[in-house]
Amino acid sequence: DQQVKQNSPSLSVQEGRISILNCDYTNSMFDYFLWYKKYPAEGPTFLISISSIKDKNEDGRFTVFLNKSAKHLSLHIVPSQPGDSAVYFCAAKGGTSYGKLTFGQGTILTVHP
Amino acid sequence: EPEVTQTPSHQVTQMGQEVILRCVPISNHLYFYWYRQILGQKVEFLVSFYNNEISEKSEIFDDQFSVERPDGSNFTLKIRSTKLEDSAMYFCASTSRGLGYNEQFFGPGTRLTVL
Repeated sequence: DQQVKQNSPSLSVQEGRISILNCDYTNSMFDYFLWYKKYPAEGPTFLISISSIKDKNEDGRFTVFLNKSAKHLSLHIVPSQPGDSAVYFCAAKGGTSYGKLTFGQGTILTVHP
Repeated sequence: EPEVTQTPSHQVTQMGQEVILRCVPISNHLYFYWYRQILGQKVEFLVSFYNNEISEKSEIFDDQFSVERPDGSNFTLKIRSTKLEDSAMYFCASTSRGLGYNEQFFGPGTRLTVL
């Protein structure tokens, strides 16, 4: 089941620069997308989300872009900080507001000082 | 800030034994979920629960699994006869009723090791 894919297993970025994490999906029924951040031995922590009626949502240093025609979304972190180093999961939901999340494989982000 | 809690943090059991994983969702939330993550793999949906019944379940959630909300605060996942392949991190999540879509809040997880 590859409905949500994060093709980059890892990303390394210098502190202060932009981090761009990418996610592709195949299921046209998905209409709500979320990014979660996960540290080792902790549960996923919600970061930011976007509905399919929008193409951009911004929250502080985090911006999510959605390209529905390409079935692609990305998370931009500007400026990146060492504390941002974690695994980032893209997730998608379709159908009911309270339906299950389908996750990507995750991307390990390392921000070097 | 309210959070989802899970106990125990780590459970070791012998193959064939029953285990119960416990979760306390955020208090005003009404929708509850269990997910699992096998080491090195994706986070996978197991089951969702609302109004004291299962809303949706995945193919993984077979007859060996059950969920229960025994009181107003706890939400449990029971595995009747554990298999080696049940070894994973199990995450509980909850979300509130509201207009539009709502993010799911996850607990810290229970690491289940089946020997």
